[in-house]
This record gives sequence, C-alpha cells and structure tokens, in this order.
Amino acid sequence: QSALTQPASVSGSPGQSITISCTGTSSDIGSYNYVSWYQQHPGKAPKLMIYDVSNRPSGVSNRFSGSKSGNTASLTISGLQAEDEADYYCSSYSSSTPYVFGAGTKVTVL
Amino acid sequence: EVQLVESGGGLVQPGGSLRLSCAASGFTFSSCAMSWVRQAPGKGLEWVSAIGGSGATTYYADFVKGRFTISRDNSKSTLYLQMNSLRAEDTAVYYCAKDPGSGPEGTFDSWGQGTLLTVSS
Repeated sequence: QSALTQPASVSGSPGQSITISCTGTSSDIGSYNYVSWYQQHPGKAPKLMIYDVSNRPSGVSNRFSGSKSGNTASLTISGLQAEDEADYYCSSYSSSTPYVFGAGTKVTVL
Repeated sequence: EVQLVESGGGLVQPGGSLRLSCAASGFTFSSCAMSWVRQAPGKGLEWVSAIGGSGATTYYADFVKGRFTISRDNSKSTLYLQMNSLRAEDTAVYYCAKDPGSGPEGTFDSWGQGTLLTVSS
C-alpha cells in the first residue's frame, strides 16, 4: 500500500499559477479515473477540492482544476491567493485498497 | 447539511482498546460507504478502514488488519471503529469520512472534525 508521490512543497506569488503533481502506478491512478484532491488548513479537517480527476464540487473556486496523464495526476491553482496557502493531498482508488493518499504538498504563497 | 461528528478519542495505554464513533446526519447514511482516515501529529493523511453502505463489505489497511474492526449501525446512522492492541504509532487524529457511493469510489466528499487518540503509558 505505497503512498502516491507528491512534491513536499510548492510555492508561488499571488496571482501566479502553480501545479502539484501526484504520481502513482498502473494499480491506482493509471487505471482509474477516481483521483481526488483535498485542501487542509492547519488544525482543520480536509476539504474536497477535485474529484474524479477534474470535477469540482459545488462551492469550490474555478481557480482549482485537475487533470491526469498516465500514472500522474495534477492539481493546478490559478490566480494564487493568500487563502490558498495550505496542505494539499491527492488520493486515488486502488486495486489493492479502496483508497491511497499522497504524502501531501505544502503550498506557500510568497 | 451533511454532518459527521466523531467521539471516543482519548488517552490509552499501549496494548489497550478503544472504540470510536461517528454520528452522521444530513444524508442517507445507508447509501454511502464510510471510512476512517487518520493523521499522526505533523504527518499526512492515512486511510485506515472502509465499510460499504450495507455493512456487508469491509476493507482495512495492512497496518491495522487483525487489530481494528469497522462496523456501522444504519438504524442509528453511526459508524464505529473498534481498536484493540493499540500501539504508540496509532496516535493520531481519526477522521470519519463519507464516500458518495454505496461502495468505495475513491472520494471523500465530507469529513468530520476528527477525534484525537493518544497511545502512551
């Protein structure tokens, strides 16, 4: 049950766009379109930002978008804002377990 | 509005047992798979266990197999996690999380606020 691979940190200036990658295997991301992204602020519960690779739940800003190519999924945040500073986790359905998470990426707004 | 409220966390000695509960409201509980996800202090999210909407199917991460048991009471809209043989490395905030499907579909669209379990002598 190996975790998905994410960069430890990504940073950008306000207004810029950043992309967080999430690399899995053919047993998870590569075989299923069940990739989700979660935002977590310190001391808070995670919040679903993207599901099924590229769908946004109601109420989530359209500055957040998701995509997938092969075994790698990506989350892009455009027009970066101070409130976007948080930890971001990817997850995927997996053939070995129903869920597998990435280790998380800390996004810093410079 | 979906609400998930966890309870039952606390301080337990190594080797001890504890049962967590998650009271759900605002949706048809029996139609949704549910999971427990934990987060050790300063660490990332880690899926622990899941159960299908009917309760007939359960799933466990390898590190809890044989020690933890997930269950649900659909008449009470409540999810449980019975934890036995607890270890220091089980120390974490435990979140209850809802999957929109009746079987696991890889997404958690709602989360509780979490309950802290500390395993220490």
